[in-house]
Amino acid sequence: EIVLTQSPATLSLSPGERATLSCRASQSVSSYLAWYQQKPGQAPRFLIYDASNRATGIPARFSGSGSGTDFTLTISSLEPEDFAVYYCQQRSNWPWTFGQGTKVEIK
Amino acid sequence: EVQLVESGGGLVQPGGSLRLSCAASGFTFSNYWMSWVRQAPGKGLEWVANIKQDGSEKYYVDSVKGRFTISRDNAKNSLYLQMNSLRAEDTAVYYCARGGTGYWGQGTLVTVSS
Repeated sequence: EIVLTQSPATLSLSPGERATLSCRASQSVSSYLAWYQQKPGQAPRFLIYDASNRATGIPARFSGSGSGTDFTLTISSLEPEDFAVYYCQQRSNWPWTFGQGTKVEIK
Repeated sequence: EVQLVESGGGLVQPGGSLRLSCAASGFTFSNYWMSWVRQAPGKGLEWVANIKQDGSEKYYVDSVKGRFTISRDNAKNSLYLQMNSLRAEDTAVYYCARGGTGYWGQGTLVTVSS
């Protein structure tokens, strides 16, 4: 099973600041990595697929990069609605797996 | 518009069974892999099972193998998850998802408790 490790566990930032979230895979997942955003009581929202492609309707302030084992989600300038938990997920090998999540909280 | 609507969740005793359903609309259901994903209360996400377009291939996470069965009815645009021998650790919100394409339902809560 491919283990995805996200860091940091919590990121405390202010609106307008840049957020950089990391996801590291225990073995290569090529570019088969996605990012999701989840707010309390809601289903996850699909942000990025295949490492760097924004899903439909996702604002340009969200960007993804990386390949192989190291990936990054960047939010260029945090909006109030961006404070949430973010998960990475791989679909390279079954079982598809998620990271444990990074919480982006208001400082 | 793609819509996925889960149903069938509820309270069940340990060792019991439950069948979840997912009604799909807004896309050609038979063209897509379909999936079930779950989230235990206050915990992270776990991808539970995948099924190929024609049902010929199915994959399960180890924790549910032999207990859960994923199936589909393309004529009814429906996905199912038969859950047997349920355990307390199966308590979670179960989401229906359109493969890895990012479309998810709103989820249905399954609680396993005596």
